[in-house]
Amino acid sequence: QLQLQESGPGLVKPSQTLSLTCTVSPGFITTDGDYWSWIRHHPGKAPEWLGHIYYTGTTYDNPSLKTRLTLSVDTSKNQFSLTLRSVTAADTGVYYCARMSGTGNRKHFDHWGRGTLVTVSS
Amino acid sequence: SPDLSQPPSVSVSPGDTATITCSADKLGSRYASWYQMKPGQSPVLVIFQDTKRPSGIPERFSGSNSGNTATLTIRWTQSTDEADYYCQAWDSDSVVFGGGTKLTVL
Repeated sequence: QLQLQESGPGLVKPSQTLSLTCTVSPGFITTDGDYWSWIRHHPGKAPEWLGHIYYTGTTYDNPSLKTRLTLSVDTSKNQFSLTLRSVTAADTGVYYCARMSGTGNRKHFDHWGRGTLVTVSS
Repeated sequence: SPDLSQPPSVSVSPGDTATITCSADKLGSRYASWYQMKPGQSPVLVIFQDTKRPSGIPERFSGSNSGNTATLTIRWTQSTDEADYYCQAWDSDSVVFGGGTKLTVL
């Protein structure tokens, strides 16, 4: 059973940078057709797709975050990461990493991490 | 407001059928997926590509999508089905989610 585990600080100060890493096990992050995604959720609201990355490094970002978001992948460690710059209180939420499978607009998230709560506060 | 509209809550009695809808303009021309979310747990994919069930998801869960509405149906609802359910689809090159429906099994 594929497992994804988010890691990173739970508290970030406003205007600073949020960095999270997702470790994938077992298996390989380089599997053809698998995309590695970040989703955040503010309880009571719709989950928000942040972006996803292919093992080649090709990224697909939510346009609303494009200028602040960087996704990266480390195939040697079977990890992928998120960096979000200039955070504000609006970036507070539960951040999930997930695997996206399927093709075209059939893509869906078939494995998720447990999520990590990130609070932006001074 | 979210791109996909869901009723905030649905309540059923154990053994009844729960129906959760997800609406958007011409949603039937896209593919819908559904996720079950419980506090402290990893979200679970219960339906993808409108009607398909991942392995391990009971046959009690089914989906449909036509016109402007995708529907998640849970037959013989159990207390373990109590959770928040979110629909998801693609809008151009972006992923969108519904606002979620809290399913209560009374």
